[in-house]
Amino acid sequence: AQRVTQPEKLLSVFKGAPVELKCNYSYSGSPELFWYVQYSRQRLQLLLRHISRESIKGFTADLNKGETSFHLKKPFAQEEDSAMYYCALRGTGANNLFFGTGTRLTVIP
Amino acid sequence: DADVTQTPRNRITKTGKRIMLECSQTKGHDRMYWYRQDPGLGLQLIYYSFDVKDINKGEISDGYSVSRQAQAKFSLSLESAIPNQTALYFCATSPSGTGSSEQFFGPGTRLTVL
Repeated sequence: AQRVTQPEKLLSVFKGAPVELKCNYSYSGSPELFWYVQYSRQRLQLLLRHISRESIKGFTADLNKGETSFHLKKPFAQEEDSAMYYCALRGTGANNLFFGTGTRLTVIP
Repeated sequence: DADVTQTPRNRITKTGKRIMLECSQTKGHDRMYWYRQDPGLGLQLIYYSFDVKDINKGEISDGYSVSRQAQAKFSLSLESAIPNQTALYFCATSPSGTGSSEQFFGPGTRLTVL
């Protein structure tokens, strides 16, 4: 069965400091991994997906199959990064997303 | 702009009442989903539909039913609401196709069952 674990419910960092939001997954096949973000008073929206290998708003995430992780990183946090972040998994041939419990990031000015 | 809308945005009801939450989209997507969000539990899938004739149960479908009235409309019903169904409910859509995995979310409906 698939499972997505985000061990930190809350994470606070100072502006300009590096930030890493952890995500570990459990899945027997080759999953697709995503990070979704929900800013205050806004909808949940896709931030990035591992197959795109892109950097969005300075964030990157690398899929590490050996460690079954997909941690989200940014070298210099900004105040506007404060939001709720969800890691999500889609299994091979599946159409549904399984979400982690989310991490609320607060960037302190 | 193409959008996903949900009505009502907030609802307070009593135990035992039947409640319907509605979702409409102008994105032209075939696939629609209903999730609930509880503090500390993330989003859990209730039901999903890949087209008008296709309805599938998600992780937590007990106590819920859905209706896909048209490509653009997907309703969630609580036949007899109970307090532990108090949650934030999200509708989402996605286009069909193997490479189309992004889901687009509505603003959410906050439901309180007293």
